[in-house]
Amino acid sequence: SQKIEQNSEALNIQEGKTATLTCNYTNYSPAYLQWYRQDPGRGPVFLLLIRENEKEKRKERLKVTFDTTLKQSLFHITASQPADSATYLCASAVDTGRRALTFGSGTRLQVQP
Amino acid sequence: KAGVTQTPRYLIKTRGQQVTLSCSPISGHRSVSWYQQTPGQGLQFLFEYFSETQRNKGNFPGRFSGRQFSNSRSEMNVSTLELGDSALYLCASSRLGQGEATDTQYFGPGTRLTVL
Repeated sequence: SQKIEQNSEALNIQEGKTATLTCNYTNYSPAYLQWYRQDPGRGPVFLLLIRENEKEKRKERLKVTFDTTLKQSLFHITASQPADSATYLCASAVDTGRRALTFGSGTRLQVQP
Repeated sequence: KAGVTQTPRYLIKTRGQQVTLSCSPISGHRSVSWYQQTPGQGLQFLFEYFSETQRNKGNFPGRFSGRQFSNSRSEMNVSTLELGDSALYLCASSRLGQGEATDTQYFGPGTRLTVL
């Protein structure tokens, strides 16, 4: 069955450093990958989407890559700040236009001042 | 523009009871999806509605059902509650529907259901 994994349950980094989060998928080829941020007690908030034919996407301090050979997406936050502390989720769908997202288990990022 | 709203925010029920959760999507959004989030299983897709029709369904028992109204508001129902149904139930809306170009899903704050 299709599987999407975020190997790191938690990541602690110092303020100002770059945080790199990993998302791996197996047994399918997602049409796109999305990254969300979730704060405690709140619903996920959409951050970035990258399609299978795109290598890299950027938005302000955020960058996401998609490597279909490695079956992996990397999510980077540069110049990290304590306010970036949250759980980050990757999600994917098999077909463009499908709303049935499969989510990874999330990585809890803690940025120390 | 108001975001996705879900009511109630918190709910406590006992085993065997049934529960109905409500979701109002962002104005103009036609697609509503429901997800269950638990510490053990993470976020799991329940079902999606578009134009009052269920378009996709996740791997959940028939005790979980939903519907969508003509104004795009959606409800989900869980009958014969079990302890394992305790979870955060999230609703997400998007502007486009099944088969159309990929777009962003906007999540509500969720309903925290506790089954005793």
